[in-house]
Amino acid sequence: GESVGLHLPTLSVQEGDNSIINCAYSNSASDYFIWYKQESGKGPQFIIDIRSNMDKRQGQRVTVLLNKTVKHLSLQIAATQPGDSAVYFCAEKPLDLWSEGSNYKLTFGKGTLLTVNP
Amino acid sequence: DGGITQSPKYLFRKEGQNVTLSCEQNLNHDAMYWYRQDPGQGLRLIYYSQIVNDFQKGDIAEGYSVSREKKESFPLTVTSAQKNPTAFYLCASSMVGRKDRSYNEQFFGPGTRLTVL
Repeated sequence: GESVGLHLPTLSVQEGDNSIINCAYSNSASDYFIWYKQESGKGPQFIIDIRSNMDKRQGQRVTVLLNKTVKHLSLQIAATQPGDSAVYFCAEKPLDLWSEGSNYKLTFGKGTLLTVNP
Repeated sequence: DGGITQSPKYLFRKEGQNVTLSCEQNLNHDAMYWYRQDPGQGLRLIYYSQIVNDFQKGDIAEGYSVSREKKESFPLTVTSAQKNPTAFYLCASSMVGRKDRSYNEQFFGPGTRLTVL
């Protein structure tokens, strides 16, 4: 079935380096994507989102890139800090014009654990 | 402050007991969701509700039940029929938009960790 997945389960970087977290999705009908950050023992926090009519969106120290041709999503974190250490999830929402219920459901990937070394 | 609260933070249950996890939101969101998270796994949808007095099963609804009597509240009951209930449970809420343009970020609560003894 359709699913959202991640290329790498863990990523270790040095403080100050840039981090890139990748996500592959298989549902070509997805029209909205979100990146969440989850610290240990806490609920996920929204980082940044992107709509399928865009290929890049920037936030504070973060950039999300969307390549619809290869169905790939990435999160770039600039100047990674120890406080960025967490699990990062991508999530997708499929566009379904015919089913009211599925319009509100997100499909989550398994997550990538980012560790920032001082 | 607006947000989502879940209680308790930690919950211990004996086998054969039903337990209810609380989720409250003051964001005026119409939609609410319950997810289960196991170690090293992504979030799996248990139940969701788009409007008061209505809810739908998610991907892993067996052994769980919910109610949506108020817009602000979406309690989850883990019944004795749930074979492996030990997990981290997350509640979320979102706005509900037009069917073809609903870019609905979900806001999450802090979670409840349930352990079966």
